[in-house]
Amino acid sequence: QQPVQSPQAVILREGEDAVINCSSSKALYSVHWYRQKHGEAPVFLMILLKGGEQKGHEKISASFNEKKQQSSLYLTASQLSYSGTYFCGTSDSGGGADGLTFGKGTHLIIQP
Amino acid sequence: DAGITQSPRHKVTETGTPVTLRCHQTENHRYMYWYRQDPGHGLRLIHYSYGVKDTDKGEVSDGYSVSRSKTEDFLLTLESATSSQTSVYFCAISKDRAGELFFGEGSRLTVL
Repeated sequence: QQPVQSPQAVILREGEDAVINCSSSKALYSVHWYRQKHGEAPVFLMILLKGGEQKGHEKISASFNEKKQQSSLYLTASQLSYSGTYFCGTSDSGGGADGLTFGKGTHLIIQP
Repeated sequence: DAGITQSPRHKVTETGTPVTLRCHQTENHRYMYWYRQDPGHGLRLIHYSYGVKDTDKGEVSDGYSVSRSKTEDFLLTLESATSSQTSVYFCAISKDRAGELFFGEGSRLTVL
């Protein structure tokens, strides 16, 4: 079952902050965040693991609420280059190689 | 950038014809995945592999088969292509279980 992302789309001015949410009905082992620009492949941003370990991008932060099976991606002081579609991907196994289940994406548009 | 290439990058074919997409990696990563991406659906897992000759189904595997005879190559085959299989196909690799995914540039398939 796909995780649910919100909002579906957001338009910001450069320098403003954005929060993208991802929630799942399953107990999660990890949450990944990827950004995809139009016509390109998704690019890894962040991974949050059960137990609190976090690895990823230095200018973007994220949280993982294990009790609620929710994750949020925080983009502060947004730049034009942040525009794109953001996907969360979840793993609900204890590390098995069953791939990630992705949400439908959040379209982020940054205007000058 | 991770060494991962997909071929062909673009293909137009007719309904009922067989199609094989190739994913080649030079990273010696154990895990390989095939996803399809369609508007409104995000990325959906077709099949994945956790080693040579070790493969398993994802959430949208009907109509697709895969093979992995060497660590570096993961083939996706559509035995008899249908218009519903028109999509962009992404291959991804991962070094570790639940580790970050590195995506190929995608293969755009159109079935007429």
